[in-house]
Amino acid sequence: ETGVTQSPTHLIKTRGQQVTLRCSSQSGHNTVSWYQQALGQGPQFIFQYYREEENGRGNFPPRFSGLQFPNYSSELNVNALELDDSALYLCASSLGAGFSYGYTFGSGTRLTVV
Amino acid sequence: QQQVKQSPQSLIVQKGGISIINCAYENTAFDYFPWYQQFPGKGPALLIAIRPDVSEKKEGRFTISFNKSAKQFSLHIMDSQPGDSATYFCAASPRGSRLTFGEGTQLTVNP
Repeated sequence: ETGVTQSPTHLIKTRGQQVTLRCSSQSGHNTVSWYQQALGQGPQFIFQYYREEENGRGNFPPRFSGLQFPNYSSELNVNALELDDSALYLCASSLGAGFSYGYTFGSGTRLTVV
Repeated sequence: QQQVKQSPQSLIVQKGGISIINCAYENTAFDYFPWYQQFPGKGPALLIAIRPDVSEKKEGRFTISFNKSAKQFSLHIMDSQPGDSATYFCAASPRGSRLTFGEGTQLTVNP
């Protein structure tokens, strides 16, 4: 059984740049959620994709956008990077979008904005 | 808006002791309450979860106690081991969709 794979593991970007983070879901999982985890804090929900459609969004500005592909892999795009965007970005996949399905998290992408 | 409050922020226990972490929530729409364990450099891993139709759930050394009227739930780790040293997060969700996490508890178990 393969887990959730995220790439890259670490990334340094300059303020104002754009970044794309990638996530490969666990095999068979059709739901992907993205979370932002600032240092020393709990993860914050960004958005969720279910079968390629956005299925809920947290309190993040429109410069945070995403995609889910037919193979259920996903991308998180962040435009106009700000210093406060520095965080660990986590992807979580599940078999579905309800409570019957546990979420499997990847190890995250550590983004540093300078 | 802090919808799930977790305490304590840090906890030190001796090997073999009981670790207790508490969480309180506000949103009555929450009906799924998982606990996650996170090691440095790793993503959170699901430990145990409960729904509000039961007051307690036990899996091995881990127990969740749930008080629906008080809107509180807690994690008990029995016979704590040094390998349990990690950061623990409670979370809550409506229908298992988006998870709202607590701020985390850094647990240290001394040998």
